[in-house]
Amino acid sequence: RKEVEQDPGPFNVPEGATVAFNCTYSNSASQSFFWYRQDCRKEPKLLMSVYSSGNEDGRFTAQLNRASQYISLLIRDSKLSDSATYLCVVNSGNQFYFGTGTSLTVIP
Amino acid sequence: DAGVTQSPTHLIKTRGQHVTLRCSPISGHKSVSWYQQVLGQGPQFIFQYYEKEERGRGNFPDRFSARQFPNYSSELNVNALLLGDSALYLCASSLNSPNQQETQYFGPGTRLLVL
Repeated sequence: RKEVEQDPGPFNVPEGATVAFNCTYSNSASQSFFWYRQDCRKEPKLLMSVYSSGNEDGRFTAQLNRASQYISLLIRDSKLSDSATYLCVVNSGNQFYFGTGTSLTVIP
Repeated sequence: DAGVTQSPTHLIKTRGQHVTLRCSPISGHKSVSWYQQVLGQGPQFIFQYYEKEERGRGNFPDRFSARQFPNYSSELNVNALLLGDSALYLCASSLNSPNQQETQYFGPGTRLLVL
């Protein structure tokens, strides 16, 4: 079983839509959680950390459910510039485990 | 301030050759991690170095090795290249040893093509 699993998509949504991504992880002892964004042929860039109480950054909301071992990312009022691959990342010990990424395309 | 830098940006090698990839972390960062990202997949952890010592190793063969220098820069070496080693190799730095809530910052990567 993979450490981190994500639906690869693709998700194609119109501008202004709300879209949600989920991610599950296998190691219940995992310590920290992140969402990274990766544009085509670029390096991953931190979008936001995910805290147990949930956290929001503008149009982006991240949630963590430790009991069910899943992480979610909600994007409200999608912009064309949100088109990218979103990577779920879980830290267990000294290793970061990445999901395969979920592809999002926001359509005009 | 400069971010994480990697060299070279692109590289073409043939099977059986050896390659050395280089990474300079963000100034003040002491930890460097290496990842391999093949097309359509997320990055896969290869190594983590902190204060010049190996602190973590992913599921990669012994053909992969790395080291960290006193100035915290790092090299990734791959021997006896295989076609399947073709990938984007990413270096990430963090202030301290990656642990709870420690953010990693990625360099632009080195694209390796093995023919």
